[in-house]
Amino acid sequence: VQLVQSGAEVKKPGASVTVSCKGTGYTFTGYFTHWVRQAPGQGLEWMGWVNPNSGGTSYAQKFQGRVSLTRDTSINTAYMELSSLTSDDTATYYCASGLPASMRFDSWGQGTLVTVSS
Amino acid sequence: SFDLTQPPSVSVSPGETVSVPCSGDELGDKYCSWYQQKSGQSPLLVIYHDNKRPSGIPERFSGSNSGNTATLTISGTQAMDEADYYCQAWDSSAGYVFGPGTKVTVL
Repeated sequence: VQLVQSGAEVKKPGASVTVSCKGTGYTFTGYFTHWVRQAPGQGLEWMGWVNPNSGGTSYAQKFQGRVSLTRDTSINTAYMELSSLTSDDTATYYCASGLPASMRFDSWGQGTLVTVSS
Repeated sequence: SFDLTQPPSVSVSPGETVSVPCSGDELGDKYCSWYQQKSGQSPLLVIYHDNKRPSGIPERFSGSNSGNTATLTISGTQAMDEADYYCQAWDSSAGYVFGPGTKVTVL
């Protein structure tokens, strides 16, 4: 199982960012793709998940209305778009896979650093 | 909201046993997982469903969960075990929740 994420991004306040996550070595549609972020020197924060099979999503209340999780099953890739960026969104963003209803994160991507700065 | 609490840091001598507690309201009624994160690396699942080890995780890692506290125990701690450890549980209202993390230092 391998999750490979897109490269680092630098964005200005108010902009949007999209991070991709390509899954290989497993049945992409059989596992939820979660997104978790970690601000510099801080802990882990769950943002939401996308069900690659159905396209269904669930978002943490904190990010409702500002995050959009999608997927393209033809290339086994999930996407996280975060809008209206502020400096507080500067963080490393991880994708992680987990079986539906397993309540855990089995495998993790390498992380994508998003820096928000004017 | 559902919150998890962990001590910021614990220390252990090589070869000794260290326990990392994680507290939350009726946590024992939920499944708890634990993740190891070494400096500059992605998190790694080391315990799931309270006490199950994924393939490849050494037997020195074990877990328990009862009442309001889950505990990660590392027996015969090695220098390579020095890392941040995060507990995690799922709550029907809050979703997936992580503890603040505990830094384990091997002295």
